[in-house]
Amino acid sequence: GENVGLHLPTLSVQEGDNSIINCAYSNSASDYFIWYKQESGKGPQFIIDIRSNMDKRQGQRVTVLLNKTVKHLSLQIAATQPGDSAVYFCAENTEGYQKVTFGIGTKLQVIP
Amino acid sequence: ETGVTQTPRHLVMGMTNKKSLKCEQHLGHNAMYWYKQSAKKPLELMFVYNFKEQTENNSVPSRFSPECPNSSHLFLHLHTLQPEDSALYLCASSQDARGYEKLFFGSGTQLSVL
Repeated sequence: GENVGLHLPTLSVQEGDNSIINCAYSNSASDYFIWYKQESGKGPQFIIDIRSNMDKRQGQRVTVLLNKTVKHLSLQIAATQPGDSAVYFCAENTEGYQKVTFGIGTKLQVIP
Repeated sequence: ETGVTQTPRHLVMGMTNKKSLKCEQHLGHNAMYWYKQSAKKPLELMFVYNFKEQTENNSVPSRFSPECPNSSHLFLHLHTLQPEDSALYLCASSQDARGYEKLFFGSGTQLSVL
């Protein structure tokens, strides 16, 4: 099947700095992308999504960027806080196809 | 609180045991899913139910048997499991299963097979 993967398995960031988590995908038919956050002992939690007709979408302290030319997705977290420490997954989906494909995940560690 | 509740949170079972995992969602969603999460591997989709009908079986061994009596409840019946089946089993729900779905996950059942 198609792969959705991450460049860095672990990212350490100083509290207050901005974080950037990257994701590469290989399915050119993917048209919907989602970022999930998984804290220890919990299931993944939806953060933000973006459709392929957009290249940027902003939420509260988070921004997702999509570059379809190079099949690259990133999640930017502004002013990273200790509560942001978690594993972040990118995922992709295709309209009409119910299977969401997840990447391996990147662990974000926030240094106080 | 995500609106998706899984029980038990932890389960230890022998290879000859029979056990069941339970999931309940209070979100009014029509689709429910079972995912398997193993260390250093992507989440693996196991089963999808849409309006109580199974619409996806991702080549899951028959020792895992799902049951969806209604749109709010989902079970995963386990029997004669193997040690490599030890993992976190996550239940999720979404409004429908037609694509562009936001998944709402429970906290999972951490399963250990001895």
